[in-house]
Amino acid sequence: NAGVMQNPRHLVRRRGQEARLRCSPMKGHSHVYWYRQLPEEGLKFMVYLQKENIIDESGMPKERFSAEFPKEGPSILRIQQVVRGDSAAYFCASSESGENSPLHFGNGTRLTVT
Amino acid sequence: DQQVKQNSPSLSVQEGRISILNCDYTNSMFDYFLWYKKYPAEGPTFLISISSIKDKNEDGRFTVFLNKSAKHLSLHIVPSQPGDSAVYFCAASGNTGNQFYFGTGTSLTVIP
Repeated sequence: NAGVMQNPRHLVRRRGQEARLRCSPMKGHSHVYWYRQLPEEGLKFMVYLQKENIIDESGMPKERFSAEFPKEGPSILRIQQVVRGDSAAYFCASSESGENSPLHFGNGTRLTVT
Repeated sequence: DQQVKQNSPSLSVQEGRISILNCDYTNSMFDYFLWYKKYPAEGPTFLISISSIKDKNEDGRFTVFLNKSAKHLSLHIVPSQPGDSAVYFCAASGNTGNQFYFGTGTSLTVIP
């Protein structure tokens, strides 16, 4: 399966713990995007990365959230000291190039904070 | 600030008829538009796109129309099939490609 792979599919964390979400883009794709979907809402942009670079993180909360896309390995979205409001579905997408190239999404990680 | 809007949260259509999903945007810098389909517990699946140099793009049963002066696009599905029942999102991006802005989705139900 050469699609966008996200893991884990489901993640349960207690308040104050850390959540690490992983995303492997489609083969040949060097652009990665993270989106969050809250219940009954649309997809909200969080961050756009290329290999080893954060291009646009304007949608990411300033505190507790960070993202990386290292030279080797998957992209990681990290949420420190999770709170109940972080409970959501987090989707990763990749594209071949940044311009006029569709995003291809993974199946998401559903984070539940108890 | 919702730059891409889907004002109809739901739509029901009889099998075999046409489904028309609508989307409005506010940013005149958007020049690339997409439609996605999403089933529960899955990620959005890319359906069809259109760039601002065109006003129509067709792929099988799916056609996207773009009206730049009205800042409006629509997705036509004909004939509609029960398997088309899903949530449909429209999305838009500007020439920097940094962000894709998504609407809140329209839930389509195709009645057999």
